[in-house]
Amino acid sequence: AQKITQTQPGMFVQEKEAVTLDCTYDTSDPSYGLFWYKQPSSGEMIFLIYQGSYDQQNATEGRYSLNFQKARKSANLVISASQLGDSAMYFCAMREGNSGNTPLVFGKGTRLSVIA
Amino acid sequence: DAGVIQSPRHEVTEMGQEVTLRCKPISGHNSLFWYRQTMMRGLELLIYFNNNVPIDDSGMPEDRFSAKMPNASFSTLKIQPSEPRDSAVYFCASSNLPSGSWTGELFFGEGSRLTVL
Repeated sequence: AQKITQTQPGMFVQEKEAVTLDCTYDTSDPSYGLFWYKQPSSGEMIFLIYQGSYDQQNATEGRYSLNFQKARKSANLVISASQLGDSAMYFCAMREGNSGNTPLVFGKGTRLSVIA
Repeated sequence: DAGVIQSPRHEVTEMGQEVTLRCKPISGHNSLFWYRQTMMRGLELLIYFNNNVPIDDSGMPEDRFSAKMPNASFSTLKIQPSEPRDSAVYFCASSNLPSGSWTGELFFGEGSRLTVL
């Protein structure tokens, strides 16, 4: 079974509008972390935001916020006031457990296109 | 501060040739991860090291792939012999988390784009 599911292969949003990128995850571990990365056309992987499974509040970083719904096992990324520079691939990822340095498992990604 | 450094950035080679990709993690980081990115399979973990020791290499496709981390500041991923299906972007990432913590992001290098003809 897939650990991370991103059901939207591609999304379009008008400049200055908000957009939500969906992510659902699957784990039986009570301790986990959820991450979002941005990959622009240049190829680098840019960390955006993190949410821990025990965090009571949704994470926010500037124009990025994470809509964390634990019971639904979803961790959607919300980008407010979209800019042309937000056009990129966006990956949701998860780390399970608290045994130290363990890898992130990534979803397939969503390609966001911001339209002027 | 220097980030994760990968070389070469681009490699074009012919089928059957040996390919060596190199990675220098961020100084002080104790974990290093090799990922491969393709259109079909997305980002896949190949292998990761903690304190220079390989922990999980179950993602390595086959015996043609090998990875080493001789010291805390250097790792290599070798493909011998290379095949066209190995064409992909190979990312190295590092992190430094205390035991018992699941917070903290991975820091990625810019990737090595491999094309095998």
